[in-house]
Amino acid sequence: NAGVTQTPKFQVLKTGQSMTLQCAQDMNHEYMSWYRQDPGMGLRLIHYSVGAGITDQGEVPNGYNVSRSTTEDFPLRLLSAAPSQTSVYFCASSRSSGTAGTQYFGPGTRLLVL
Amino acid sequence: AQSVTQLGSHVSVSEGALVLLRCNYSSSVPPYLFWYVQYPNQGLQLLLKYTTGATLVKGINGFEAEFKKSETSFHLTKPSAHMSDAAEYFCAVTHDNYGQNFVFGPGTRLSVLP
Repeated sequence: NAGVTQTPKFQVLKTGQSMTLQCAQDMNHEYMSWYRQDPGMGLRLIHYSVGAGITDQGEVPNGYNVSRSTTEDFPLRLLSAAPSQTSVYFCASSRSSGTAGTQYFGPGTRLLVL
Repeated sequence: AQSVTQLGSHVSVSEGALVLLRCNYSSSVPPYLFWYVQYPNQGLQLLLKYTTGATLVKGINGFEAEFKKSETSFHLTKPSAHMSDAAEYFCAVTHDNYGQNFVFGPGTRLSVLP
């Protein structure tokens, strides 16, 4: 199993540009989520999905969109990038039961918005 | 809302010394508790978790943590630090199997001095 994969690893954007961060998992996990990591703030939940076709907002959803058309993929879209979105983004997945919420994380995407 | 505090954003220990990283949570109902480790430029890896049962939990790389309900704490320890333990450590809590309400602490950076 590849686990949770994310692309790209690093991206530079100009203010106002849009882009999609890709996330895929091959563990047949129902639950997937996106976090952003900023210094001194830990990880904050952006959006999550409990299954294909179902998404919901987390703690910091503004400026981001998600969709979940398949179990495997959960892309994160930045609609109009802003410098405040400079961060490291992590995708995670977990099973619906039996794991007490244990999440498996991808390697991250480092985003710089100029 | 749940919150997680980690005392000390940066902890330094000498190689061979005891490692103690503190985690306290705010919840009237005992949650599921986790410690994750993040090595430089990598994603988060699960160190250990507490769900139910024995309050002393052993994890990978010689780490262990003890759940103390009366103190709402889940401190991480390792008897003898190794240079390879240098990383950032995150405490996290959730109350559900999905981890929908996964809340992370701000992290503690551990440095190991030769």
